[in-house]
Amino acid sequence: SQTIHQWPATLVQPVGSPLSLECTVEGTSNPNLYWYRQAAGRGLQLLFYSVGIGQISSEVPQNLSASRPQDRQFILSSKKLLLSDSGFYLCACPRQGAWDTEAFFGQGTRLTVV
Amino acid sequence: QKEVEQNSGPLSVPEGAIASLNCTYSDRVSQSFFWYRQYSGKSPELIMSIYSNGDKEDGRFTAQLNKASQYVSLLIRDSQPSDSATYLCAVAGGSYIPTFGRGTSLIVHP
Repeated sequence: SQTIHQWPATLVQPVGSPLSLECTVEGTSNPNLYWYRQAAGRGLQLLFYSVGIGQISSEVPQNLSASRPQDRQFILSSKKLLLSDSGFYLCACPRQGAWDTEAFFGQGTRLTVV
Repeated sequence: QKEVEQNSGPLSVPEGAIASLNCTYSDRVSQSFFWYRQYSGKSPELIMSIYSNGDKEDGRFTAQLNKASQYVSLLIRDSQPSDSATYLCAVAGGSYIPTFGRGTSLIVHP
């Protein structure tokens, strides 16, 4: 069955420190992959999406970047975190067996920048 | 810019009542519409999808779509305290990437 693994589940990082969040997908091949962020009191904001290895599209200019080194691996990074980077980061892909527009989410990483 | 608007709430209903959640969207070419439920601290989970005008029922849930009015709603019948959560509306068009609203907080009190 389709599974999205995200780690870590929670993270507290100081301002100016680097960040690396990892997402791996099982049970599906060559999926579109998405990174969303949910800040406190705000909706889900699409940060990046990828249609294949090495193919990354950015939706919002920011100090974050994404990479897709393998078909089922999607990484979100930052060289220097800002306070405004705090939020709930969710990796998603189209739900297996459904239309491409149905998003299926991992369990998320809650990032607090202090 | 594609926008999906929801009243943030909270919407408070007594147990056993009907909860009505509403959503409007700006992109007229949108084709796919979804309702997700998100419990506090958890990731969203899909509860309903609807693609054509009219009503779609699944158990206690009914999704309603009116493309002419760019409006989608979710009705929850016989609301239970376990239905207390944030409900996210999502809309997708030609790019296939869903755009989400901010969500409506629902509280079902005993």
